[in-house]
Amino acid sequence: AQSVTQPDIHITVSEGASLELRCNYSYGATPYLFWYVQSPGQGLQLLLKYFSGDTLVQGIKGFEAEFKRSQSSFNLRKPSVHWSDAAEYFCAVGAHYGGATNKLIFGTGTLLAVQP
Amino acid sequence: DGGITQSPKYLFRKEGQNVTLSCEQNLNHDAMYWYRQDPGQGLRLIYYSQIVNDFQKGDIAEGYSVSREKKESFPLTVTSAQKNPTAFYLCASRIPPGDTEAFFGQGTRLTVV
Repeated sequence: AQSVTQPDIHITVSEGASLELRCNYSYGATPYLFWYVQSPGQGLQLLLKYFSGDTLVQGIKGFEAEFKRSQSSFNLRKPSVHWSDAAEYFCAVGAHYGGATNKLIFGTGTLLAVQP
Repeated sequence: DGGITQSPKYLFRKEGQNVTLSCEQNLNHDAMYWYRQDPGQGLRLIYYSQIVNDFQKGDIAEGYSVSREKKESFPLTVTSAQKNPTAFYLCASRIPPGDTEAFFGQGTRLTVV
């Protein structure tokens, strides 16, 4: 069955520091992978996605993520964090094909705090 | 502008009452989803629908019901059988099968009083 693990529940970084949020997935075939960001009391906004091809994908707001099949990981990175990046981040995996497994499975999220 | 609209943003319900959360999209997406969000538990799938007049249970469907009579609408009813309904509910839509992202509404916060 599909599953997503985000091992870090809460992370605090200083403004200007680099950031890496971890995501590990479990899925039998090549997955579709997503990172979303959520501000308090709001819906989710897509940061980036991986379907195929180049394993390093660029997203909005200066974020990037790298797909590593051998490690079943899709970690999110940003070289320099801004105070406005404070939010909750969700990794998700989607079915590669339709039918009964056509759904998105989300991790439990990582809450990012940014220190001045 | 295209998007997903959830209403109301805040909803209060007395114990023992059913309540319906609205989700409307004008993105012409076939697939729609309902998720429940609780602190520390991420998003859990309640129901999803891949096409009009068809829907499947997600991981936590007990105490909930849905309908999909129109492509643009996917209302969620929280019944009195749901033992702990206080949560943040998110609706999403996408173009199936898997190689597209989901678009989310702004959520409805349901509180049982």
